Amino acid sequence: RKEVEQDPGPFNVPEGATVAFNCTYSNSASQSFFWYRQDCRKEPKLLMSVYSSGNEDGRFTAQLNRASQYISLLIRDSKLSDSATYLCVVNSMDSSYKLIFGSGTRLLVRP
Amino acid sequence: NAGVTQTPKFRVLKTGQSMTLLCAQDMNHEYMYWYRQDPGMGLRLIHYSVGEGTTAKGEVPDGYNVSRLKKQNFLLGLESAAPSQTSVYFCASSGIYEQYFGPGTRLTVT
Repeated sequence: RKEVEQDPGPFNVPEGATVAFNCTYSNSASQSFFWYRQDCRKEPKLLMSVYSSGNEDGRFTAQLNRASQYISLLIRDSKLSDSATYLCVVNSMDSSYKLIFGSGTRLLVRP
Repeated sequence: NAGVTQTPKFRVLKTGQSMTLLCAQDMNHEYMYWYRQDPGMGLRLIHYSVGEGTTAKGEVPDGYNVSRLKKQNFLLGLESAAPSQTSVYFCASSGIYEQYFGPGTRLTVT
């Protein structure tokens, strides 16, 4: 089983739609959770950290369910510029400073 | 404030040639990392460093060596390049948790 699993997509949605991605992780002891965004042929960039109580940043909401070991990202009012691959990230089993990256979920927002 | 920079941006090597990729960060981060990313796959950790003068193996270290002589620099070496090392290489640095990435080096080995 992969340490971090994501649906590769693509999710193809119209502008203005709400879209949600989930990811599952295998290490129940993980303490750090993130969503990164990666545009085509570019480096991953931190989108947001994910906190136990859930957190919001503008149109983006992240949730953590420790009991079921999954993380979610909700994007409201999708923009064309949201088209990218979204990477789910958790810290490694053997250290807090090593991160494990999911393979990503691709989002396409169409006009 | 440049963040994390990588040189070169692109390189084509023949099988058996060697090269060094340079990563530099100006955020005074202790931790630095080298990843490779192949089509359809996630980032895989090659080597990492928890401070100046230290290095450690990641998930896919074979065929690569690293050095961290200065806190701000982390070098990745390929002693004898193989076609299987064709990939995009990303360097990252971190303070405590979040990692910040450089723009990547696209390497093709023919």
